[in-house]
Amino acid sequence: EDQVTQSPEALRLQEGESSSLNCSYTVSGLRGLFWYRQDPGKGPEFLFTLYSAGEEKEKERLKATLTKKESFLHITAPKPEDSATYLCAVHNQAGTALIFGKGTTLSVSS
Amino acid sequence: EAGVTQFPSHSVIEKGQTVTLRCDPISGHDNLYWYRRVMGKEIKFLLHFVKESKQDESGMPNNRFLAERTGGTYSTLKVQPAELEDSGVYFCASSQGVATGELFFGEGSRLTVL
Repeated sequence: EDQVTQSPEALRLQEGESSSLNCSYTVSGLRGLFWYRQDPGKGPEFLFTLYSAGEEKEKERLKATLTKKESFLHITAPKPEDSATYLCAVHNQAGTALIFGKGTTLSVSS
Repeated sequence: EAGVTQFPSHSVIEKGQTVTLRCDPISGHDNLYWYRRVMGKEIKFLLHFVKESKQDESGMPNNRFLAERTGGTYSTLKVQPAELEDSGVYFCASSQGVATGELFFGEGSRLTVL
């Protein structure tokens, strides 16, 4: 069964304190791994797509990487506005639906 | 450009009643999806429309849920009769293509069944 597991569930950082979020996945043939950001009371907002092991994508203070079994979302020198829940997802076997993890809730304090 | 809009933002109903959720996708997006997040669980796929056709409805919990997309524009998701376990946040999303995984989500409709 396709599955996505994210860790930790919650992470508290001081402003400027870099860290990484983990997403491990079990799928029959990866068709894409996706990172989303979700703010309270809002819908998920797309961040990145990764397709193959070794691929990296960057956006401001965020950098996503992919291996054959997991993905990392690295946050460099975070700011309070980076506080949100970060969701990882993979495509199902048909490639039409996303399978989400439960997310990591990040809190960055100044 | 308007994003994905959902209505109502919050609905509170009694068990056994009917509720209809509406989603207006981004103009020009042929793909429309419904997802649901139940308290404490991950966001789960319900179904996928391409224009007015149901492409994949494998995530629909049971026959109390009915989704429609008339004319390939807006979509409705009806729950009839509602049960306690149907409580959660229902998200609608739309996209131009499927492969990129870049979905544009609405803010969700929170359903509370008492």
